[in-house]
Amino acid sequence: DAKTTQPPSMDCAEGRAANLPCNHSTISGNEYVYWYRQIHSQGPQYIIHGLKNNETNEMASLIITEDRKSSTLILPHATLRDTAVYYCIVRLYSGNTPLVFGKGTRLSVIA
Amino acid sequence: DSGVTQTPKHLITATGQRVTLRCSPRSGDLSVYWYQQSLDQGLQFLIQYYNGEERAKGNILERFSAQQFPDLHSELNLSSLELGDSALYFCASSVGAGSVTEAFFGQGTRLTVV
Repeated sequence: DAKTTQPPSMDCAEGRAANLPCNHSTISGNEYVYWYRQIHSQGPQYIIHGLKNNETNEMASLIITEDRKSSTLILPHATLRDTAVYYCIVRLYSGNTPLVFGKGTRLSVIA
Repeated sequence: DSGVTQTPKHLITATGQRVTLRCSPRSGDLSVYWYQQSLDQGLQFLIQYYNGEERAKGNILERFSAQQFPDLHSELNLSSLELGDSALYFCASSVGAGSVTEAFFGQGTRLTVV
């Protein structure tokens, strides 16, 4: 079973920052937080991952709370092409374990 | 393009039949994962292979089986197909060498059982 809780849906205005929250209160010390998204029945796409420090790449930023019980994915300037289902996943350090997907958050970016 | 190739893209078959889905992982990736996504179930992990050996098993039916070949491509075999097996089937691959790595997904095979 998924170890994360996400809101089922969110809206965001085009050009604004999209902040997607995720609760993972039972995360253990050797588990990373991963974010993936799925655009309309395409294969899920990797976005970012982190352990305890905040991370940023060309797609997004990941903010993890100090107690690691929750995190926020930030898309700084959302576009219509960012409309997708976003999945927050916790995964063991080894990186060789399956990703277990929950229901995710359906983000709708509105013009 | 993730570098993971799945064939065929679409497949229509009748109940009771058997089909084989193929996955070619990214070059250098040793782990292959199979997922099923139906409308009402979300993305369900089926099975994982690492360097030719089964590594983890999820919600895979006994009618389904998979293998990973020496060249690291993988096949998912679905037999005695039922209407409820209609779904998108995704393959993903990762390096899987003990480091923290992301998994890359193919574009899926859409299976329709009629």
